[in-house]
Amino acid sequence: QSVLTQPPSASGTPGQRVTISCSGSSSNIGSNTVSWYQQLPGTAPKLLIYRNNQEASGVPDRFSGSKSGTSASLAISGLQSEDEADYYCAAWDDSRNGQVFGGGTKLTVL
Amino acid sequence: EVQLVESGGGLVQPGGSLRLSCAASGFTFSSYWMTWVRQAPGQGLEWVANIKHDGSDKYYVDSVKGRFTVSRDNASRDSGKNSVYLQMNSLRAEDTAVYYCAREVNGGTAYNFFDHWGQGALVTVSS
Repeated sequence: QSVLTQPPSASGTPGQRVTISCSGSSSNIGSNTVSWYQQLPGTAPKLLIYRNNQEASGVPDRFSGSKSGTSASLAISGLQSEDEADYYCAAWDDSRNGQVFGGGTKLTVL
Repeated sequence: EVQLVESGGGLVQPGGSLRLSCAASGFTFSSYWMTWVRQAPGQGLEWVANIKHDGSDKYYVDSVKGRFTVSRDNASRDSGKNSVYLQMNSLRAEDTAVYYCAREVNGGTAYNFFDHWGQGALVTVSS
């Protein structure tokens, strides 16, 4: 059971906009910034978004992040087949004195 | 170019020990926190431990406290020994995972994130 809650799966067709949610609590998302990571099959995770809504270097602006209270979201617009991957949210947790991740969302491009 | 290369993974029996290394290059290693994240087969990411740039602060996930120790060697750029380590003792089957080291930006603050990752090292705990 992950500390941050993400839907296990999401899907969309090419060109569509999809969003992935990440729900936490006051000790993690409510107090600290959220980062998002993309993991393509068989590869290491890659930073997409940091500080809730800042795009990492080289990341297409089709990817955007937002945060409100104890929840965060990753939005992908103009969905492309190469976006098919697992996506994880993360934040520091002040109660646990450690980083916590969401369980991951598997995005399928139909 | 930032590079992180893990080594030291392998097969170990339950109760055994293993030491992972992560060699860093392409940046001022002594200025950054470093972190270890693991991923069990078919599972999600789990943060394991991190260490402050000078080694003075370390944090661990509860499940590894007392068994794993993170350390680092901030050697000079010339010596080529900029590395972070994860000493893993009393290993259990549930520690089986790919272990990634990552560079942590703004470690120790509310704004931290992991901007570069290694390729990972597989640790298998089995008899």
